[in-house]
Amino acid sequence: ETGVTQSPTHLIKTRGQQVTLRCSSQSGHNTVSWYQQALGQGPQFIFQYYREEENGRGNFPPRFSGLQFPNYSSELNVNALELDDSALYLCASSLETSGTDTQYFGPGTRLTVL
Amino acid sequence: RKEVEQDPGPFNVPEGATVAFNCTYSNSASQSFFWYRQDCRKEPKLLMSVYSSGNEDGRFTAQLNRASQYISLLIRDSKLSDSATYLCVVNGLLTGGGNKLTFGTGTQLKVEL
Repeated sequence: ETGVTQSPTHLIKTRGQQVTLRCSSQSGHNTVSWYQQALGQGPQFIFQYYREEENGRGNFPPRFSGLQFPNYSSELNVNALELDDSALYLCASSLETSGTDTQYFGPGTRLTVL
Repeated sequence: RKEVEQDPGPFNVPEGATVAFNCTYSNSASQSFFWYRQDCRKEPKLLMSVYSSGNEDGRFTAQLNRASQYISLLIRDSKLSDSATYLCVVNGLLTGGGNKLTFGTGTQLKVEL
């Protein structure tokens, strides 16, 4: 196993609500990245945090936000949920932010928006 | 044009067959390359890194051609347990100093008796 955990496993919300997803990285990994995987698609990069600062963002609106904490845990927050936000949300941890660092994925949180 | 392109398949092959997957990527500045395997409704798992010199891990062989921006994966002697979606993945640097993985849509493999 990768040593990366996520909670909850599954979640059902309704349109307009807010959601917080959690990730616990491997100890010592300073970087966490979040990805959204819609059905039938590959994961899409949302953003990356390094030592508690956001250092890169994909094409996602500001209602997607995150936090990283000193204890190697992190959160993904999504406000004003839309139906299209239904997806598998994956976090991945890595040692640093090098383009050659391996990213280790957690099991994901499956979010359904009704 | 998508940053990483793969044939979505499905590839239906008999047990014991050899199957090859191909992938192209558009960003010539990409730093590193991988194949991930994803089982239904599970997280992607790293299958192997891909190098220009080619690398092999048991029945799996991966190859990178930087000049053509082309990545391949060969699976020999397919097993039923190889049935999964294979994701071609490229790692590149972001302007803010971070890095991101860019995934293809995945190629579905079904190995049959």
